[in-house]
Amino acid sequence: EPEVTQTPSHQVTQMGQEVILRCVPISNHLYFYWYRQILGQKVEFLVSFYNNEISEKSEIFDDQFSVERPDGSNFTLKIRSTKLEDSAMYFCASKTQAQSMAGYTFGSGTRLTVV
Amino acid sequence: DQQVKQNSPSLSVQEGRISILNCDYTNSMFDYFLWYKKYPAEGPTFLISISSIKDKNEDGRFTVFLNKSAKHLSLHIVPSQPGDSAVYFCAASNFGNEKLTFGTGTRLTIIP
Repeated sequence: EPEVTQTPSHQVTQMGQEVILRCVPISNHLYFYWYRQILGQKVEFLVSFYNNEISEKSEIFDDQFSVERPDGSNFTLKIRSTKLEDSAMYFCASKTQAQSMAGYTFGSGTRLTVV
Repeated sequence: DQQVKQNSPSLSVQEGRISILNCDYTNSMFDYFLWYKKYPAEGPTFLISISSIKDKNEDGRFTVFLNKSAKHLSLHIVPSQPGDSAVYFCAASNFGNEKLTFGTGTRLTIIP
């Protein structure tokens, strides 16, 4: 079964450092997303991406965050200057077409720990 | 901003019995609801969904009920099996919007 692959599974970084979280969505999917889950809290939407541009972003997704699809297969989330409160599980998701919300497929996540 | 709420953080059910997980929402614009299951160290996995034009959707052991007037949905699992032990998230979306709004999750433990 096709899956969304995220690397690394765990990333430890020092406060103020830049970090890039990587995702390989399912190959025929066109819509890409990042969500995060702070420990003990709910899964929160960060950003959606379609046709090489951001289609929607949340209040969390401020200027220190950026996304990119550099080569047609990878989808990355960059945090420019990490803060302690960025520590969370980050989930990438993709789906094939609009309005098929049940088609969301999530990756296994990257646990980001900022120290 | 708790637009989707799951008020029970945990639930324990005997194997073979019915598990009922509840979810409430406040945003009347939501018109599509989903349940996800999540194991530790894995991403959420889609279980079942329902659109606001229905009040029930069934898929094998899983049934979702939607009460729009009460802004409440529930997931019924029957019979419950040990492999059902996981965290269950309710999520909602509205037409034209690509994002999912999640609840805080309910940890279901099936007791053999």
